[in-house]
Amino acid sequence: AQKITQTQPGMFVQEKEAVTLDCTYDTSDPSYGLFWYKQPSSGEMIFLIYQGSYDQQNATEGRYSLNFQKARKSANLVISASQLGDSAMYFCAMREPYTGNQFYFGTGTSLTVIP
Amino acid sequence: DSGVTQTPKHLITATGQRVTLRCSPRSGDLSVYWYQQSLDQGLQFLIHYYNGEERAKGNILERFSAQQFPDLHSELNLSSLELGDSALYFCASSVEAGGPSGELFFGEGSRLTVL
Repeated sequence: AQKITQTQPGMFVQEKEAVTLDCTYDTSDPSYGLFWYKQPSSGEMIFLIYQGSYDQQNATEGRYSLNFQKARKSANLVISASQLGDSAMYFCAMREPYTGNQFYFGTGTSLTVIP
Repeated sequence: DSGVTQTPKHLITATGQRVTLRCSPRSGDLSVYWYQQSLDQGLQFLIHYYNGEERAKGNILERFSAQQFPDLHSELNLSSLELGDSALYFCASSVEAGGPSGELFFGEGSRLTVL
């Protein structure tokens, strides 16, 4: 079974609108971490946001927030007030101690912001 | 700037050749991870080193090998290169705090082109 599933290969959003990128995960470990990374066309991988499995509140970092629904095993990334510079690939990832703290990445979602 | 340094940034070579990719992790990070990203693909985990010891292996070909040196820098050796080895190779480092927190910090990647 896939550890991380991103079902949206491509997404479009109008500039200044909000967009949600979906991510579901699979783990039996009660302790795990969830991460989102951005990869612009230039290629670098940029860390955006982290959510721990025991965190009571959804993580937020500026215009990024993580909609963490533990029972549904989902960790969706919400980008508010989209900007042209948000056009990029977005990867969801999980880290679980059960497998030696290894990282598991999804296949990514390509986001295009339309002016 | 993530603090992770990868060299070279670009490399063009011929089939059958051997190359070495170098990575210096962030100061204080003991873990180094290597990933391969082929064109329009997700991240494929290759190998993870912690303080000089191999911790986990992913889908790393037998033609590939890696090591982490006492000064914590790491090298990924790719030999008998094939056209399909053309990819962006990322090194990432992480603080190993004993739990699932601690994001990966990625280098800018080494783009390998095999002709």
